[in-house]
Amino acid sequence: QSALTQPASVSGSPGQSITISCTGTSRDVGAYNYVSWYQQHPGKAPKLMIFDVSSRPSGLLNRFSGSKSGNTASLTISGLQAEDEADYYCSSYTNTSTLYVFGTGTKVTVL
Amino acid sequence: EVQLVESGGGLVQPGGSLRLSCTASGFTFSSYEMNWVRQAPRKGLEWLSYISSSGSTIYHANSVKGRFTVSRDNAKNSLYLQMNSLRAEDTALYYCVRDGWYSRYFDYWGQGILVTVSS
Repeated sequence: QSALTQPASVSGSPGQSITISCTGTSRDVGAYNYVSWYQQHPGKAPKLMIFDVSSRPSGLLNRFSGSKSGNTASLTISGLQAEDEADYYCSSYTNTSTLYVFGTGTKVTVL
Repeated sequence: EVQLVESGGGLVQPGGSLRLSCTASGFTFSSYEMNWVRQAPRKGLEWLSYISSSGSTIYHANSVKGRFTVSRDNAKNSLYLQMNSLRAEDTALYYCVRDGWYSRYFDYWGQGILVTVSS
């Protein structure tokens, strides 16, 4: 089971919107609506941002949104802010014995 | 408040063993499925192990299958990872992670515990 493919880096100016893609296969992203996204600041544990493709945990700002089409999921950050600068990982449940797979990770830079 | 606190990490020689523990609080531990996830230095996240709420169902990643074993003690609100035949490539920060309620995601993470495999 290979890692899901994400762009290594994405950047944007404050106030702009950016989108991070997460490409898998029909055995993971395409098989279930169990795609989730995590934000990780340096030296910190990952934090859940999106689950079940497009649901947000309670209390999370609606600047973060998720979607999926076929084998590719996406995370969009609207109104980019300095504190959004971090690493982002997608994850998917799979129909293999490797129950979960993570994406390769994307570094978001706020210019 | 949900808390997951890992312990048991440290320096171990190649071929050695280590047992990680994770103590949970702030929720009904016996009702939740749990996982271990690791992150090698300056690398991405890697899912390692899953255990059902009762402990009856277990899955491991191919990279650790046959060497690592996940277990739990619901009476002690504790999750464990027994790691044997450790290799240099097992050097990483190991996270105890709670599975989402009736879904498939990771909603709470511990702070992580460092395991270093080196001679």
